[in-house]
Amino acid sequence: GESVGLHLPTLSVQEGDNSIINCAYSNSASDYFIWYKQESGKGPQFIIDIRSNMDKRQGQRVTVLLNKTVKHLSLQIAATQPGDSAVYFCAENNINSGNTPLVFGKGTRLSVIA
Amino acid sequence: GAVVSQHPSRVICKSGTSVKIECRSLDFQATTMFWYRQFPKQSLMLMATSNEGSKATYEQGVEKDKFLINHASLTLSTLTVTSAHPEDSSFYICSARAYGGGKDNEQFFGPGTRLTVL
Repeated sequence: GESVGLHLPTLSVQEGDNSIINCAYSNSASDYFIWYKQESGKGPQFIIDIRSNMDKRQGQRVTVLLNKTVKHLSLQIAATQPGDSAVYFCAENNINSGNTPLVFGKGTRLSVIA
Repeated sequence: GAVVSQHPSRVICKSGTSVKIECRSLDFQATTMFWYRQFPKQSLMLMATSNEGSKATYEQGVEKDKFLINHASLTLSTLTVTSAHPEDSSFYICSARAYGGGKDNEQFFGPGTRLTVL
């Protein structure tokens, strides 16, 4: 069945460095992807999204890259800060398939070393 | 805008009791709400999809008689964990999908409810 997975379960980075979190998805029909940040004891917080007709999208300090050829998604965080420490999930969906829910990947814990 | 609330945020109950969790969309109408469960150090797993005015659709392996879902209005869905047992202890998260306003596919998440069954 469809699944969304991650290459790295944990990631430790020095404060100020850039972080790259990766995600692989298996459903080639997925056309909408989102990155969420989840802090301990809280719900997922939207970071950035991208549709399949794009391969890159930038936000404030974050960039999402989409490679549909290899079904790979990444989140880049520039100048990582202690407040970025959290678990990051990618999620995917097919907008054209109707009212379907987001499917979440396994998550990557990002730890920022001060 | 697009705020989703959950109540309670944390609940501790004895084994065998039932617990109701509310999910509300505060400033938009949600025709569909989703319920997820998250165990420690794991991802969000979809439990069910709740459509306003109709029966919920449950994912495989989720007991519909144990996890009762009611979506009686466009702003409220409830999840009742009946005869809760310690293995039901988890973090329950709802999300709501807004239709209209150019954000038809966006899901907005609640803050979660931590259930601990003793």
